[in-house]
Amino acid sequence: DTGVSQDPRHKITKRGQNVTFRCDPISEHNRLYWYRQTLGQGPEFLTYFQNEAQLEKSRLLSDRFSAERPKGSFSTLEIQRTEQGDSAMYLCASSLRDTLTHNYGYTFGSGTRLTVV
Amino acid sequence: AQKITQTQPGMFVQEKEAVTLDCTYDTSDPSYGLFWYKQPSSGEMIFLIYQGSYDQQNATEGRYSLNFQKARKSANLVISASQLGDSAMYFCAMREGTGGFKTIFGAGTRLFVKA
Repeated sequence: DTGVSQDPRHKITKRGQNVTFRCDPISEHNRLYWYRQTLGQGPEFLTYFQNEAQLEKSRLLSDRFSAERPKGSFSTLEIQRTEQGDSAMYLCASSLRDTLTHNYGYTFGSGTRLTVV
Repeated sequence: AQKITQTQPGMFVQEKEAVTLDCTYDTSDPSYGLFWYKQPSSGEMIFLIYQGSYDQQNATEGRYSLNFQKARKSANLVISASQLGDSAMYFCAMREGTGGFKTIFGAGTRLFVKA
């Protein structure tokens, strides 16, 4: 396993188009996260999966955003009717499930940089 | 509500010297984890070090150590013997341990290592 893979690395799209990003986590990690990062800021939480269940979704995520993780393996993040404000780096991360006494760090992918023109 | 504050937008350090990056946090949960991540110019976030709220000793990982002061709610990262490759953005982060699934990140500190 070579880590968390994200595809594509870069995406340029016209405003109003739909885009879909893919994330392949580390196979033994049952937790998967999507974050968004704009220039000069820290990552902002978007959504979280434990196996195939989407357990939390940020209020930042409008109805135009949807994420899936069928069969608890790879995940997709779709943005419909893109807007210029959606331009950002979209990061995927995975981790093991926390124990009662230990929180696991994330392994991040390289991200997908979205530019909406 | 959880909050992470990094007050240093940028820091300079001479190669081979030590540097401390500040981080304060706020949470009402007695169980939580604190993390530091490095983001080089290539963009990929790299997990550096973890400190649990119940850990008695400060965490260390190679040249990285976390100066955990629970009463002050601070979790400063200390990098010893800085190297040119340490130049990057550094993010402090926290995850609440009871019922919390998400990690929140601070705004980051950009570290410049001078030769």
